[in-house]
Amino acid sequence: SAVISQKPSRDICQRGTSLTIQCQVDSQVTMMFWYRQQPGQSLTLIATANQGSEATYESGFVIDKFPISRPNLTFSTLTVSNMSPEDSSIYLCSVMRASTDTQYFGPGTRLTVL
Amino acid sequence: AQSVAQPEDQVNVAEGNPLTVKCTYSVSGNPYLFWYVQYPNRGLQFLLKYITGDNLVKGSYGFEAEFNKSQTSFHLKKPSALVSDSALYFCAVRDPNTGFQKLVFGTGTRLLVSP
Repeated sequence: SAVISQKPSRDICQRGTSLTIQCQVDSQVTMMFWYRQQPGQSLTLIATANQGSEATYESGFVIDKFPISRPNLTFSTLTVSNMSPEDSSIYLCSVMRASTDTQYFGPGTRLTVL
Repeated sequence: AQSVAQPEDQVNVAEGNPLTVKCTYSVSGNPYLFWYVQYPNRGLQFLLKYITGDNLVKGSYGFEAEFNKSQTSFHLKKPSALVSDSALYFCAVRDPNTGFQKLVFGTGTRLLVSP
């Protein structure tokens, strides 16, 4: 497995503002992902963070709303832009090494938008 | 497209009794199947996976799951439940034939183990 940290762990934000969430891994990983878990619901993949290139977004998610960076093999950020109350969710990053086929998840960032 | 169904929103079991959390899946080819557990205010923890090989896979904390291809199921089991097993359990599937790494999750099953 890997040790994964996320910052912040939680935040309360005003609508119309943006929040950047950081994901740090203790060792190099092949792939990094960002998921959203809306209140009382399951996890949905937002995008795959690609090192050195643009992220790959799932249907229903766009770069203008959720810009993602991955400058190296151990770090990624997700920004939630122009937030509305509907963006209130837990945002989780996950990582995977190609040799294991297993995704490991960070502790999540609980976001509340007022 | 792949999908996962967890038919039970909640499972109640008494401590010491066996537990089963159900999961069925749909993929075009041979699936990669996973179980994760989420404790309150925590991220997801990996429990076990089936990729290939023996249909019965063993994982963390005494959990196991059986892959049944004919019934397209991957039920999570434990012979003797503990109160500390109370949590939210997610089944997930990945279709390796698509070339994508994404996991598709079920809606989750809340397990409540009573003393």
